[in-house]
Amino acid sequence: DTAVSQTPKYLVTQMGNDKSIKCEQNLGHDTMYWYKQDSKKFLKIMFSYNNKELIINETVPNRFSPKSPDKAHLNLHINSLELGDSAVYFCASLKEGGDEQFFGPGTRLTVL
Amino acid sequence: GQSLEQPSEVTAVEGAIVQINCTYQTSGFYGLSWYQQHDGGAPTFLSYNALDGLEETGRFSSFLSRSDSYGYLLLQELQMKDSASYFCAVKAGKSTFGDGTTLTVKP
Repeated sequence: DTAVSQTPKYLVTQMGNDKSIKCEQNLGHDTMYWYKQDSKKFLKIMFSYNNKELIINETVPNRFSPKSPDKAHLNLHINSLELGDSAVYFCASLKEGGDEQFFGPGTRLTVL
Repeated sequence: GQSLEQPSEVTAVEGAIVQINCTYQTSGFYGLSWYQQHDGGAPTFLSYNALDGLEETGRFSSFLSRSDSYGYLLLQELQMKDSASYFCAVKAGKSTFGDGTTLTVKP
């Protein structure tokens, strides 16, 4: 069973479009994250949710809107996509008091 | 804010030992983690140090000195499959990752 899953794995779209990426974890963890990894492999945190509540919102354009319908899911919606949004987006989860983040397989977003 | 520094690239030969250093500046420090990421893959957890000293897990060891705001990952008996990117990350309220060290293991 996959611990943290993301869909889709690849996403190719045109500038200006709106797209969503979904993340689900079956580990029973309370905290979930979205990270962006650019072409230089820098891994930057975007958002963190704990039990469906937003606790970290880094300096991310408001075109990015996370949503957590329940503590097992954290989705990322992106409006008006730009070329600079092209990257790999990783979802991760962490149990309460834990040290190990479990990462999903990533979603490679390409904006043309 | 938080900042971490680690070398961008390291090259070593099979069977050798390599050390990847990480220095950090942060407030409210809880611990230092290490993650491995192969090309095209996701980061996977290697180790976590909350206290000073060395933690050993098979061929990999991780060290932390809180007073020096410094840690390192030690990889022994290098294998080709160890070629990957290695990230240090501080746990301090939120997790911040370093920019990663690309390790290339040559035959």
